[in-house]
Amino acid sequence: GENVEQHPSTLSVQEGDSAVIKCTYSDSASNYFPWYKQELGKRPQLIIDIRSNVGEKKDQRIAVTLNKTAKHFSLHITETQPEDSAVYFCAANTNAGKSTFGDGTTLTVKP
Amino acid sequence: ETGVTQTPRHLVMGMTNKKSLKCEQHLGHNAMYWYKQSAKKPLELMFVYNFKEQTENNSVPSRFSPECPNSSHLFLHLHTLQPEDSALYLCASSQLSGVTDTQYFGPGTRLTVL
Repeated sequence: GENVEQHPSTLSVQEGDSAVIKCTYSDSASNYFPWYKQELGKRPQLIIDIRSNVGEKKDQRIAVTLNKTAKHFSLHITETQPEDSAVYFCAANTNAGKSTFGDGTTLTVKP
Repeated sequence: ETGVTQTPRHLVMGMTNKKSLKCEQHLGHNAMYWYKQSAKKPLELMFVYNFKEQTENNSVPSRFSPECPNSSHLFLHLHTLQPEDSALYLCASSQLSGVTDTQYFGPGTRLTVL
């Protein structure tokens, strides 16, 4: 089955700096890669996603890049703000609808 | 925030009790999921239902029993649980379209097994 590894497990940055979280996956059939943000005490919510036929996608301060050959994808957050502090999960999906999640990255943005 | 609802939000039960968790989605989706979230494994898929049919069972112990009477409702029946089953149980739904499968999560049920 699919295996998703996510690094780092914790990340602390100064407000205004950039943050990068990386994930690797094992199943070449995976074709959809969402990123979820979970704030403390709240449910995970989608923040950005990318399909396997696209190499990069950007939405304001967040972007996701995908290297299908190397089977890795990354989340980039620029100009970080304290409200970006949360746990971030990557996931890899197949057409069958099964999502395999990474173990999460706890991001702390220090004011 | 009201697309996927879960009840109860908190549950404390003894190891000999039987209880059920309920999930309802109001998004018209065709797939529903149960996840367990704990410090040990942040998001662990338990069950997947696609058009009411169970398509995934990730080696979950039989003391957890899912039920999906229709595409909008999902239950998780619990009996003779262990203290290590204490966790946040998240329900999610998605529209399986072969294009994107964004999952919409409910608020979760915080379960404590004494």
